[in-house]
Amino acid sequence: NAGVMQNPRHLVRRRGQEARLRCSPMKGHSHVYWYRQLPEEGLKFMVYLQKENIIDESGMPKERFSAEFPKEGPSILRIQQVVRGDSAAYFCASSPGTKNTEAFFGQGTRLTVV
Amino acid sequence: AQSVTQLGSHVSVSEGALVLLRCNYSSSVPPYLFWYVQYPNQGLQLLLKYTSAATLVKGINGFEAEFKKSETSFHLTKPSAHMSDAAEYFCAVSLSGGSYIPTFGRGTSLIVHP
Repeated sequence: NAGVMQNPRHLVRRRGQEARLRCSPMKGHSHVYWYRQLPEEGLKFMVYLQKENIIDESGMPKERFSAEFPKEGPSILRIQQVVRGDSAAYFCASSPGTKNTEAFFGQGTRLTVV
Repeated sequence: AQSVTQLGSHVSVSEGALVLLRCNYSSSVPPYLFWYVQYPNQGLQLLLKYTSAATLVKGINGFEAEFKKSETSFHLTKPSAHMSDAAEYFCAVSLSGGSYIPTFGRGTSLIVHP
């Protein structure tokens, strides 16, 4: 059973470009969470999705950021017109969404904006 | 709403010494509590979890944690530190009802000296 797969592992973008981060949840998991990690900080919740639905996006910046989890295919976190402050590690986690279960994390995508 | 406070951004111990990493939580309903470990440039791996069963929880790599409701704490301990334990440790809380979105503390970096 493959774990949570994120790609790419490293992504370099110039200011103003778009960044697309992909996350394939564990088999059987229908709940996906995205977090951002900055140096010396913890993980900040961004968005929680189920298939074709955004359940909670309270941690998402109002502009330039969007997320989706289509019926088929991976979840995508999209950052438009990236700025230097977007440089961070972005982690995806998945869970089956039932009680008593933890979230399983991917290896992360490290975004560098130059 | 829920939150987690990890006291001490860095903890330094000698190899063979007791490890104690502190975590206090705030939750409006009975919580689920987790400890994760992150090695450099890796994702988060679950060490252990509390989901309202036994208050003393044993995890992987010799770690354990005790849920103390009266102190709203879930401190992580290990009797004898190994060099391989050097990593970042995160405490997380999610609500036992609702969307189970994990909220993370800022993390504690464990440094192990020979």
